[in-house]
Amino acid sequence: EAQVTQNPRYLITVTGKKLTVTCSQNMNHEYMSWYRQDPGLGLRQIYYSMNVEVTDKGDVPEGYKVSRKEKRNFPLILESPSPNQTSLYFCASRQTPGLAGGNEQFFGPGTRLTVL
Amino acid sequence: AQRVTQPEKLLSVFKGAPVELKCNYSYSGSPELFWYVQYSRQRLQLLLRHISRESIKGFTADLNKGETSFHLKKPFAQEEDSAMYYCALSGMGGGGNKLTFGTGTQLKVEL
Repeated sequence: EAQVTQNPRYLITVTGKKLTVTCSQNMNHEYMSWYRQDPGLGLRQIYYSMNVEVTDKGDVPEGYKVSRKEKRNFPLILESPSPNQTSLYFCASRQTPGLAGGNEQFFGPGTRLTVL
Repeated sequence: AQRVTQPEKLLSVFKGAPVELKCNYSYSGSPELFWYVQYSRQRLQLLLRHISRESIKGFTADLNKGETSFHLKKPFAQEEDSAMYYCALSGMGGGGNKLTFGTGTQLKVEL
């Protein structure tokens, strides 16, 4: 089944404790993104990657890091989490924009993070 | 810069009533517009896109370039339509075809 998976689905942690949220897709998509979803603010892009070893900042990158060593994986790293990073996080992937179907974005199930 | 505006945070209608979820955009080129839906505790999924000109689950949306709008409509709301709806625009941003989302509209269909 074509899908985007994320782990963990739920995480409660404390300020300053480094964490990683994994994201994996099995559709051979080049383009992957991380979003955070907050009430009243919708989805905001944190980071994106256009291909292996190519990443760039989205609209709200502060406090986050990403890496893209393999095409299928795009982990989100919080080196020193803070309470304002409490949110619902979504990973997404899509085919290269411009190709047929390239603009349909597939989302993971979400990771609900609470930073105390 | 590209921007998507959804002016309503919450829209409450009765079952069987018509629904219109508003979406306006700002973009200098030729955009691609989408509607995504998120049912309770589920992931976002694509509902429809303007280039397909299709009707999904009774919903339609027409791109009006003059008014820079892409409103989502359904003639008769059903209880199962209750969900969060996001309008999104794909344009040639710094990330190459950046997808920008609006803030979303929560649709509540009451019996």
